[in-house]
Amino acid sequence: AQSVAQPEDQVNVAEGNPLTVKCTYSVSGNPFLFWYVQYPNRGLQFLLKYITGDNLVKGSYGFEAEFNKSQTSFHLKKPSALVSDSALYFCAVRDINTDKLIFGTGTRLQVFP
Amino acid sequence: DTGVSQDPRHKITKRGQNVTFRCDPISEHNRLYWYRQTLGQGPEFLTYFQNEAQLEKSRLLSDRFSAERPKGSFSTLEIQRTEQGDSAMYLCASSFRAGMNTEAFFGQGTRLTVV
Repeated sequence: AQSVAQPEDQVNVAEGNPLTVKCTYSVSGNPFLFWYVQYPNRGLQFLLKYITGDNLVKGSYGFEAEFNKSQTSFHLKKPSALVSDSALYFCAVRDINTDKLIFGTGTRLQVFP
Repeated sequence: DTGVSQDPRHKITKRGQNVTFRCDPISEHNRLYWYRQTLGQGPEFLTYFQNEAQLEKSRLLSDRFSAERPKGSFSTLEIQRTEQGDSAMYLCASSFRAGMNTEAFFGQGTRLTVV
């Protein structure tokens, strides 16, 4: 069975500092990995995806993620955090046959001014 | 086209009542998904359609739940005899199945509260 794990319920970072939100995955075969962000009372917004190719994936709003096959990780990063980045972040893996997404439990990012 | 649209945004209902939610996907998207998200959890897959065919249903989808996508366009999710445990955010997503390099786009969700 495919799954992703987000080990941190919350990440706190000061504005201007780099941020990392962690995700590890467990799949059989090649993983298709995604990051989504959710603002309060809103749906999920797509940030970025890894399908194949370069291990460093660039996405929306200055976010990037690094795919690491040996560590089965897909951590989300941003060089300089903004207060407006404060939100709930979900890592997900996509089922190869149905395209359904299997989500982690989410990490709340809090950026302090 | 501005994206995936869900209606209503909020629904409060009494236990035992039936409710129906609607999702309008992005027009050219042939796949449509329903997810449920409870507080503090990630979205959980409920069911999906490719065009008008419902291809998979999660074990989370009890007999009280039914989903349709007539003509492969909009979709409805009906919950009969609602229970307090049905209180959640119901999310719809759509995608265009054409190879691996696709992503799903989500609507803003329908928040259901069963009192």
